[in-house]
Amino acid sequence: DIVMTQSPDSLAVSLGERATINCKSSQSILYSSNNKNYLAWYQQKPGQPPKLLIYWASTRESGVPDRFSGSGSATDFTLTISSLQAEDVAVYYCHQSYSTPYTFGQGTKLEIK
Amino acid sequence: EVQLVESGGDLVKPGGSLRLSCAASGFGFSYAWLSWVRQAPGKGLEWIGLIKSKTDGGTTDYAAPVAGRFAISRDDSTHTLYLQMNSLKTEDAAVYYCVFFGSFGEGYWGQGTLVTVSS
Repeated sequence: DIVMTQSPDSLAVSLGERATINCKSSQSILYSSNNKNYLAWYQQKPGQPPKLLIYWASTRESGVPDRFSGSGSATDFTLTISSLQAEDVAVYYCHQSYSTPYTFGQGTKLEIK
Repeated sequence: EVQLVESGGDLVKPGGSLRLSCAASGFGFSYAWLSWVRQAPGKGLEWIGLIKSKTDGGTTDYAAPVAGRFAISRDDSTHTLYLQMNSLKTEDAAVYYCVFFGSFGEGYWGQGTLVTVSS
């Protein structure tokens, strides 16, 4: 099984500042046939289902603000929020759909400092 | 617009059974690989299984904690996904989500249905 490990587990950032969340997979999730990383990022607020932010490691879902960006390849990935807004308080998960069993990171709780 | 609506969550005793349903619309259901993901109270997300499209064999794949107890099926005529849960344990208590992971790995989620396992 591919293990997804996020860091940190929690993060407090001031409004307007940058927030960075890391995700490491235990093996490469880069498909050689199309050179795509099957890594997505989700945002989850209390009482709501996860919301897709990023797929293919760096492609922003339609309607997601451009302060959210994803980067990385193979085993190391990063979600960056360039200027934190109050509505960004949530838990963030990375997810691999490269192979089953699909797996998620343990989540990173983002709060306002 | 992709829409997924789960139903069937309930309170059930340990050892009991329950069937969840997911009504889908807004995408090519018959060609889609569909998953169930659960989230225990206050915990993270856990993928529990998927079913491939019939054109891709219609086979299922399960996570170890539920293999042999849970079964995923689909009805392409009604665009409905099912999760049959047997021999339920207290640790199966969670919100269960129906998820369509597209070809880019992007996930579309329902609102979830709550399963409580308690005597």
